[in-house]
Amino acid sequence: GDSVTQTEGLVTVTEGLPVMLNCTYQTAYSDVAFFWYVQYLNEAPKLLLRSSTDNKRTEHQGFHATLHKSSSSFHLQKSSVQLSDSALYYCALRATSSGQKLVFGQGTILKVYL
Amino acid sequence: EAAVTQSPRNKVTVTGGNVTLSCRQTNSHNYMYWYRQDTGHGLRLIHYSYGAGNLQIGDVPDGYKATRTTQEDFFLLLELASPSQTSLYFCASSETGGGQNTLYFGAGTRLSVL
Repeated sequence: GDSVTQTEGLVTVTEGLPVMLNCTYQTAYSDVAFFWYVQYLNEAPKLLLRSSTDNKRTEHQGFHATLHKSSSSFHLQKSSVQLSDSALYYCALRATSSGQKLVFGQGTILKVYL
Repeated sequence: EAAVTQSPRNKVTVTGGNVTLSCRQTNSHNYMYWYRQDTGHGLRLIHYSYGAGNLQIGDVPDGYKATRTTQEDFFLLLELASPSQTSLYFCASSETGGGQNTLYFGAGTRLSVL
């Protein structure tokens, strides 16, 4: 079945520095959409950005991600993090042909320090 | 912004107890989902539905039943609760099930099974 892997459980970064959160996936399908959801403390997850186009950069709220089907990756990046970016980040995929379920990775906690 | 309301927000029960978690969405979305969130596992899909009377099995369905009584209401039932079901439960809805459709999450129900 489909799977999403986020290898880092916790990433710590100093404010103002860049960050990359890793996301790789496995799927047998070609009609797949990819997502990053963010969950702030004591809040519900909400959509950060999404893409289904290979090699196209997608941006939102200062974050960006590019789907690379050649390496099965959809890493999330930001050039200069802020304290307010501290949250839990989920990578997810949905393959329309596999029951239209959204499959999430394990999540990565991002902690930003002064 | 889509509205998804979960109740109760917190619930404590004993092993073997009977629990019903409720979810209502007021956005005329067709799809509704129940996820559980656990550290190290991320968000895992329990059950989902694409309309009143419909039920689809998710990835971790054991010990859970669900029922979609109307387009707005989706219930998760634990008939013989066990400590392994202690978790944070999220309900979500989306307009359709495929492509880049966004999931809108409720605020969550924290369940403790003693």
